[in-house]
Amino acid sequence: QKEVEQDPGPLSVPEGAIVSLNCTYSNSAFQYFMWYRQYSRKGPELLMYTYSSGNKEDGRFTAQVDKSSKYISLFIRDSQPSDSATYLCAMGPRAMDSNYQLIWGAGTKLIIKP
Amino acid sequence: GAVVSQHPSRVICKSGTSVKIECRSLDFQATTMFWYRQFPKKSLMLMATSNEGSKATYEQGVEKDKFLINHASLTLSTLTVTSAHPEDSSFYICSAKSHPHTDTQYFGPGTRLTVL
Repeated sequence: QKEVEQDPGPLSVPEGAIVSLNCTYSNSAFQYFMWYRQYSRKGPELLMYTYSSGNKEDGRFTAQVDKSSKYISLFIRDSQPSDSATYLCAMGPRAMDSNYQLIWGAGTKLIIKP
Repeated sequence: GAVVSQHPSRVICKSGTSVKIECRSLDFQATTMFWYRQFPKKSLMLMATSNEGSKATYEQGVEKDKFLINHASLTLSTLTVTSAHPEDSSFYICSAKSHPHTDTQYFGPGTRLTVL
């Protein structure tokens, strides 16, 4: 079993829809959770990060963490064709921990249809 | 803020030659830099972690003599692919942190290496 599971997709939704992207993990030591967006042939761009369970909102994006279920989500409201990209989750213990290593999901390819 | 650049963005070379890729943090000092490799439609694979002024720590299975990493200053790390072969063709991406205990990594735009 991988430490982080993420459905590679592709996930295709119509413009304006609410998108839900998810990752599950198995290591209870993970304390830091991030979402990156990667356009084709570009480096990943940090979208959001959070340490705690609950929701964190930034514009059209909401990151949700449920540590009890070991499940994280990224919601995109009012999705736009420009949101079409691969979304990667990444997580790990805190960098100050001796066993720090960032673990990456496989990435979900998202397609927003005009 | 937190901009990381890479150069070149794309390189094509002949088999057997060496290629150097530069990674620079433009608006912050990067105490720690990471080098990743990404195959088409795959996630990031960490190759090595480098801290300024010390030797890089390579992940298991990554040949340190083939992938030479130098982190000589707080704003520059280089990855040299020595004696490149077609199987080294890949997308190489660097990232940087401003402090070893900072969690967030900022990524460069990547370098597409094609070895003929």
